[in-house]
Order: sequence, then structure tokens, then C-alpha cells
Amino acid sequence: DVKVTQSSRYLVKRTGEKVFLECVQDMDHENMFWYRQDPGLGLRLIYFSYDVKMKEKGDIPEGYSVSREKKERFSLILESASTNQTSMYLCASSSPSGLTDTQYFGPGTRLTVL
Amino acid sequence: SQKIEQNSEALNIQEGKTATLTCNYTNYSPAYLQWYRQDPGRGPVFLLLIRENEKEKRKERLKVTFDTTLKQSLFHITASQPADSATYLCALGPGGGNKLTFGTGTQLKVEL
Repeated sequence: DVKVTQSSRYLVKRTGEKVFLECVQDMDHENMFWYRQDPGLGLRLIYFSYDVKMKEKGDIPEGYSVSREKKERFSLILESASTNQTSMYLCASSSPSGLTDTQYFGPGTRLTVL
Repeated sequence: SQKIEQNSEALNIQEGKTATLTCNYTNYSPAYLQWYRQDPGRGPVFLLLIRENEKEKRKERLKVTFDTTLKQSLFHITASQPADSATYLCALGPGGGNKLTFGTGTQLKVEL
């Protein structure tokens, strides 16, 4: 059974802190994605990666960075957390060989920045 | 710019009835369209995919139609049950780098 795990379900941080969100997939997928989801705005793509050490900006990359040192792990970094980054963060993975881009999501991390 | 529209208002229906959700898009020529289910506090889960050359796809109580002329997909759940209550997202692809573009989702509530 495919599985995408995220390091925390709930996280509370203070403004200015550096925040790391970890995502691990066990499906040997090449593609990995980070989204944030806010009421009324849907899923917005922050960054994605189609290979180890490769990354591409999504629609809202400002204030975020990512790291992909190993194929199975994709990290999202908030360099200096701000209150407007309070959100649900979702990680997903997919395989380009499937020709359908079906994405498999993790359970999400609800981040609150105080 | 690309735009995907799903009804933002929740859809309330009675158990046993057919639920129909709509996904409209503009400025896009997708090769396929996907539907996902999302429960509160959880990540979306893939349900169905329909390609641009397919008119209809079925899976158990689910049916999806895809009209590339109208730029619209309809998602039907027949004999709905309270367990079908969730938010349903449509997604269009492919995008560059195997990306999908998601709609904002429609919340479905099936009442006894």
C-alpha cells in the first residue's frame, strides 16, 4: 500500500522561528510536491521536485524553500515564520511513468504561527 | 490565466439520492481530469481519472463525465450514503513537471 508520511500532524511555532516540515514517501516516486491549503483558496502549489536535488517554484514560493537530498524525502523550510503562513500543509508524490500524474497525499500538517 | 471553478457552496442531499458535483474550467486544454476526495483534516485521496477522449467513466457508485466542448466535468455519486460526506476536488493535467491544477472543492453532506 502506498504511503506518504509527514513529520507532524500539528505544529505551533512563533513568529521568526525557522520551521522544517518533513515528508517521506515509500513508493520510489520521482515527483514530490508541497501545497498549502486555505479555506476558499484550495490547494496552492508552493514548490515541487522531479528529481533528487532538483526543485521548481510553484505558484506561491515566497517565504519558503525546499530540500531534496534523497529520493524519498522532501523538506519544506520556512526561513522565518510569519502569521500569514498559518495553514494546512500537504505533501504529495507521483510517478511520471504512470502517465496520469495521480498524486498521493500525506495526512497534512496543520501549522499555527503565533 | 487558467481557472477551475467548483461550486463553493456545500451540497446537501438526502441519503439514497444521486449527488452531482460540477467542475468547470477556462483557458485550459487538459489531457485528463481527476477527482479526489478529502475528509476533514486529511489529505486528498484519488478517486477517478477521465481522459479527454473519454466521455464517461464509472467505478462502483461513481460516475464521471467529461465534456471538452463545454469545458466541464460532472461527478455523480449514486445511492449516496452519509459516509460519502466529504469535500470533492477536481484536478486537471498535465501541467509542466507533471503538475496538477486543483479546484477549490465542493463539500458534500449526505443526510439521513
